Amino acid sequence: DTEVTQTPKHLVMGMTNKKSLKCEQHMGHRAMYWYKQKAKKPPELMFVYSYEKLSINESVPSRFSPECPNSSLLNLHLHALQPEDSALYLCASSPRDREGYGYTFGSGTRLTVV
Amino acid sequence: AQSVTQPDIHITVSEGASLELRCNYSYGATPYLFWYVQSPGQGLQLLLKYFSGDTLVQGIKGFEAEFKRSQSSFNLRKPSVHWSDAAEYFCAVAGRSYQKVTFGIGTKLQVIP
Repeated sequence: DTEVTQTPKHLVMGMTNKKSLKCEQHMGHRAMYWYKQKAKKPPELMFVYSYEKLSINESVPSRFSPECPNSSLLNLHLHALQPEDSALYLCASSPRDREGYGYTFGSGTRLTVV
Repeated sequence: AQSVTQPDIHITVSEGASLELRCNYSYGATPYLFWYVQSPGQGLQLLLKYFSGDTLVQGIKGFEAEFKRSQSSFNLRKPSVHWSDAAEYFCAVAGRSYQKVTFGIGTKLQVIP
């Protein structure tokens, strides 16, 4: 299995809702990442998990809450989002952090906040 | 701080023609360098990467890139473009002691018959 699987592919949520994005990989990668990508922009790093521990938080608002329950799974919990949070949320993984392997990306979750 | 410049926002080439996408980076030492491709509504796919050694790197889908330290460049090339190559291409850089990858703004490739 050489894929990163993200669910759901599309999500529409109200500003008072709570939802979660899920990311799964079975490549044995020990680093996992959340990126946010607005239209016609490059991906922007949000969080890095290394060996299931949060190693980087790029000053992301607390309405985004990441979780790494095990080495294969990465979640992003969403609460009280704003319309400007609408974007493509990409999950990625790599064998290890800090060694420049390059990422395997999932197809993303297209999030719309109404 | 590391940075990446992709000077061409949009490039149009004819099918069968050669392609070169430009990328310049800024970093104090030799970085890790990457090229990714993104089709509309999809995630990014790694085309190739440079770590060290041979400065000409071969990737998937017939792409190659050349690392030129003197020019701080890592340009992507393909000898003959196919219609399926139409996509957004991102150059990216990472420092060797810190795995934060910085992406360029991307180059949108259009392929015409």
